Amino acid sequence: EAQVTQNPRYLITVTGKKLTVTCSQNMNHEYMSWYRQDPGLGLRQIYYSMNVEVTDKGDVPEGYKVSRKEKRNFPLILESPSPNQTSLYFCASRRAWRPGLAGWGYEQYFGPGTRLTVT
Amino acid sequence: DAKTTQPTSMDCAEGRAANLPCNHSTISGNEYVYWYRQIHSQGPQYIIHGLKNNETNEMASLIITEDRKSSTLILPHATLRDTAVYYCIAGNQFYFGTGTSLTVIP
Repeated sequence: EAQVTQNPRYLITVTGKKLTVTCSQNMNHEYMSWYRQDPGLGLRQIYYSMNVEVTDKGDVPEGYKVSRKEKRNFPLILESPSPNQTSLYFCASRRAWRPGLAGWGYEQYFGPGTRLTVT
Repeated sequence: DAKTTQPTSMDCAEGRAANLPCNHSTISGNEYVYWYRQIHSQGPQYIIHGLKNNETNEMASLIITEDRKSSTLILPHATLRDTAVYYCIAGNQFYFGTGTSLTVIP
């Protein structure tokens, strides 16, 4: 089954304690990304990766790190979490296509989410 | 990404068609329109996409105006399980906005 998995699903931690949220996809997609979702703010992109060893900042990258050593994995790292990083996090991978002269089209597959609480 | 505007919330009677509008007046000529939905706090799920023509799949239909400045997602026979937040996105999908919260009423 095509899927994106994330672990852990729920995490409560304290300020300053480093943590990693793992993300893995089994669809051989080149593009992966991380979003955070906060009430009233929608889903905002944190980081994305176009391919192995290629990562770039999204809209809200401060306080986060990522790495892409393998195509299937894209972990999100919080070196020193703070309470304002309490949020619902989603990992996604993306299938891309380009029919003829039209622009690129995308279909994203999202993981189940990780609810993080930083106290 | 082109900016999109959707109503904050809508209700629909079970069994009736749900018509969810979206404005994307700044969309460029080669940008697709996409619709996703999110049930409770699960990961968003892709529904449908379109460029210029109307599209239909097993989940929904997408009607895009000729000038491409707006579109409508149609769920032809809404069920209680269609209660969700529906996101309309145009472009690269970097930002999902807050969508339309659809409640299907028994």
